[in-house]
Amino acid sequence: SQQGEEDPQALSIQEGENATMNCSYKTSINNLQWYRQNSGRGLVHLILIRSNEREKHSGRLRVTLDTSKKSSSLLITASRAADTASYFCATDRRDDKIIFGKGTRLHILP
Amino acid sequence: DTEVTQTPKHLVMGMTNKKSLKCEQHMGHRAMYWYKQKAKKPPELMFVYSYEKLSINESVPSRFSPECPNSSLLNLHLHALQPEDSALYLCASSQGREEDGYTFGSGTRLTVV
Repeated sequence: SQQGEEDPQALSIQEGENATMNCSYKTSINNLQWYRQNSGRGLVHLILIRSNEREKHSGRLRVTLDTSKKSSSLLITASRAADTASYFCATDRRDDKIIFGKGTRLHILP
Repeated sequence: DTEVTQTPKHLVMGMTNKKSLKCEQHMGHRAMYWYKQKAKKPPELMFVYSYEKLSINESVPSRFSPECPNSSLLNLHLHALQPEDSALYLCASSQGREEDGYTFGSGTRLTVV
């Protein structure tokens, strides 16, 4: 299966701390994307990293990609209560569809 | 307009009913998608339309019937559903440019009784 595996499945941290989530996948990809989903709502595209890139930044987000290990990580710095959500990685093989990983549920404690 | 709009937001239907979910985008995106998401699970791809033509059907049961009347609209027709089909149904669109990712609607929460 192409589906990614996120690690950890759930993460609780204090507000202001950094949160790191990992994603592993099984086959070669064109790009890897990260999405956020607030409870019961639609998904929001956060950031995309191409297969020939190793690191990318967007605001408080930092994404890394290691194609040799077929893994990616998402770092959220200086976490806020509003960051509480589920985070999914999604892999794109350029076949007109993206496949989502199982997700990490992040809870920011006040 | 940078949104994908889904209606209705909530739907309760009986197993003998026929209903439709609607999705609309006015961003000129060439691809539209239906995903199904069960509680605490990732979204699962159901259908992909590219330039108004069905390009991918992920072996979805025939009780789900997609339709793309034009480049802005995507419907999902439902008939004779089962209680296990209860889920959040998400519509998404994309321009096909990598850096844009997908734009998702807020979903329709479907309950089959």
